[in-house]
Amino acid sequence: EVQLVESGGGLVQPGGSLRLSCATSGLNFSSYEMNWVRQAPGKGLEWVSYITSDGATIYYADSVKGRFTVSRDNAKNSLYLQMNSLRVEDTALYFCASETDWNDDYYFDYWGQGTLVTVSS
Amino acid sequence: QSVLTQPPSASGTPGQRVHISCSGSNSNIGRTTVNWYQQLPGTAPKLLIYSQDQRPSGVPDRFSGSKSGTSASLAISGLLSEDEAFYYCASWDDSLNGWVFGGGTKLTVL
Repeated sequence: EVQLVESGGGLVQPGGSLRLSCATSGLNFSSYEMNWVRQAPGKGLEWVSYITSDGATIYYADSVKGRFTVSRDNAKNSLYLQMNSLRVEDTALYFCASETDWNDDYYFDYWGQGTLVTVSS
Repeated sequence: QSVLTQPPSASGTPGQRVHISCSGSNSNIGRTTVNWYQQLPGTAPKLLIYSQDQRPSGVPDRFSGSKSGTSASLAISGLLSEDEAFYYCASWDDSLNGWVFGGGTKLTVL
């Protein structure tokens, strides 16, 4: 059974930092591109970041560029998101999602349950 | 304001067929694949449709997807109360170099 388990969320003051982790099991992690997606309370889904299986290519949403850093450790089957200079508008449930392809069409096949980040003074 | 445009709400009675639209542009839907995700209350999103019209194992054939030009559509036939959820379309955007989602459609089964 595939499992993605996020951790590291919590309450932080504006300007603070947090490091999220996504531990995976049951999938060949080193072969998967991975993503972070967030959902503000009562709002829709917002893509945050993408990293290729080897970590060589990384993309970020404009809203987090320069403040967030995605990384991975294939030996530990884990994905990370370092979040700096946090803002109130970063408050959200953060999901990690694995990305796979079918005939060069890509999609998110597995999602974690999310970890809640609250930025407030 | 989401890059992909969905109606905020849709509704139908049990047994009916409903459609949810998703409008994009030539940098996303017009260029590449569209996927649909279902999010039941209090749960993580789940893949519903990939590559416009493909259903993952376990998704009933009551759910179907299509794409034409820069728009896509999700159809749900034989509506059940358990289909009450939020539905999101998603596509890769070549101009933004990132995934974009629709704002989500809340489906209510009356």
